[in-house]
Amino acid sequence: EEQLVESGGGLVQPGGSLRLSCVASGFTDSSNYWSWVRQAPGKGLEWVSLVFTSGTSHYAGSVRGRFTVSRDKSKNTLYLQMDSLRVEDSAIYYCGRDCTGSTCYPALGHWGQGIGVYVSS
Amino acid sequence: QSVLTQSPSASATPGQRVTISCSGSSSNIGSNTVNWYQQLPGTAPKLLIYSNNQRPSGVPARFSGSKSGTSASLAISETQSEDEADYYCAAWDDRLRGYVFGSGTPVIVL
Repeated sequence: EEQLVESGGGLVQPGGSLRLSCVASGFTDSSNYWSWVRQAPGKGLEWVSLVFTSGTSHYAGSVRGRFTVSRDKSKNTLYLQMDSLRVEDSAIYYCGRDCTGSTCYPALGHWGQGIGVYVSS
Repeated sequence: QSVLTQSPSASATPGQRVTISCSGSSSNIGSNTVNWYQQLPGTAPKLLIYSNNQRPSGVPARFSGSKSGTSASLAISETQSEDEADYYCAAWDDRLRGYVFGSGTPVIVL
C-alpha cells in the first residue's frame, strides 16, 4: 500500500527549530514534485513549500527565509527544516506529491495523514 | 486573507445540486489550471478535480469542475450525505511563484 508518513512534529518554543520528515513507502517514486501544506487549528489550507525533482524549490512568503525543503531520494524522504518558529506556524503539516499509483497529476494527488507542530512558550 | 476567494458556505438536501465558486486573478486562475480538494472531517485533503474539469480515478461522476476567465466552480449533482466536507480550490500563482488555496467552503448536507 502506498503511504506517506510524516514525523518530527511536536511542541517548540518561539524562535526554536524543528525538522519534519515525510517517508514514502509502497511505491516506486516517479513524482515530479513534492510539497508541504499546513492547516492551522480551525483554519483553511495554506501552501508552504514545493520542491521539484530537479531540486528547484519555492516557498510561501510567510515562511521564506525560515523554512527549507529538501528531499533525499535514496531514503524516499522529504524534509522540512523549520527555523525561527513563530506562534503562527502552529498547524497540522501535510506532505504531498503529484503522483498516486501509476498516475501523476498537475496537482497534489497523494497526501500524508499530517503531523502537528505547536509553537508556544 | 486567501488569494482565492470562495463561497463562504453551501448547503443542500440529499439529491440536490450544489455549486461552489472560486474567484482569483490573472496571475493565478486566469493563467493556470484549477484544482479542487475535498477534506472530510478529521482527515487529510483529497484531490477531487484537476486541470479545471478532470476527475482522478475513483472520484464519482457527480463531481464536476469548470473555469471561465479568472473564476472557477465546483458542482456536486445529486449531493449525498457523505459529501459533507470542506472544499478548497487551488492554483499556481505566477506573480507569487507559489501554489495558492482558496478560503475553503464547507458543504452541509441537510
